[in-house]
Amino acid sequence: NAGVTQTPKFRVLKTGQSMTLLCAQDMNHEYMYWYRQDPGMGLRLIHYSVGEGTTAKGEVPDGYNVSRLKKQNFLLGLESAAPSQTSVYFCASSYSTTGSSYEQYFGPGTRLTVT
Amino acid sequence: DAKTTQPPSMDCAEGRAANLPCNHSTISGNEYVYWYRQIHSQGPQYIIHGLKNNETNEMASLIITEDRKSSTLILPHATLRDTAVYYCIVRVKPNAGKSTFGDGTTLTVKP
Repeated sequence: NAGVTQTPKFRVLKTGQSMTLLCAQDMNHEYMYWYRQDPGMGLRLIHYSVGEGTTAKGEVPDGYNVSRLKKQNFLLGLESAAPSQTSVYFCASSYSTTGSSYEQYFGPGTRLTVT
Repeated sequence: DAKTTQPPSMDCAEGRAANLPCNHSTISGNEYVYWYRQIHSQGPQYIIHGLKNNETNEMASLIITEDRKSSTLILPHATLRDTAVYYCIVRVKPNAGKSTFGDGTTLTVKP
């Protein structure tokens, strides 16, 4: 069980470039989440998904898009990166219909710098 | 989901119990209290959760007051590896994306 994995681990972008962050989970979880964490601050929810083919906005969705085409994958896209999007991005998953646990499992994070 | 209030930082001596408070005075009847921690820059790690009864697992104990307006996470014998940021969250179970982590409490365990 790899749990939650994220690719890439590090990335440097120039302003205006685009990129996609990939999150994958092998726990058959229904819910998946994308958070960002700025230095010295807590996590803020960007977007989340309660199932394959569904997505919803979180606290700070502007400038990001997401897709959940497969249950195990949740993609976060930046269409036109801005320096304000420099942050550490964490993916998480939770809730299996075959189990009783609802806690979130987090990936190791992606450090993104936009210059 | 109800918001939580935690002290920004706390110190604890190695081997002693660490008691981390959390205020959640606007908690609703169907909201659970969850605790996570984040060591250095790793992804947060689940610790424990509860509704109204006290809970204990291999990592920690959770004490929830009778009126459910506050709770305390207890690490019975803190070690240096317990130095981390601890987040208290309240949310309906199963959560559907409404977790707000806040800034948490930075616990420093000192030798």
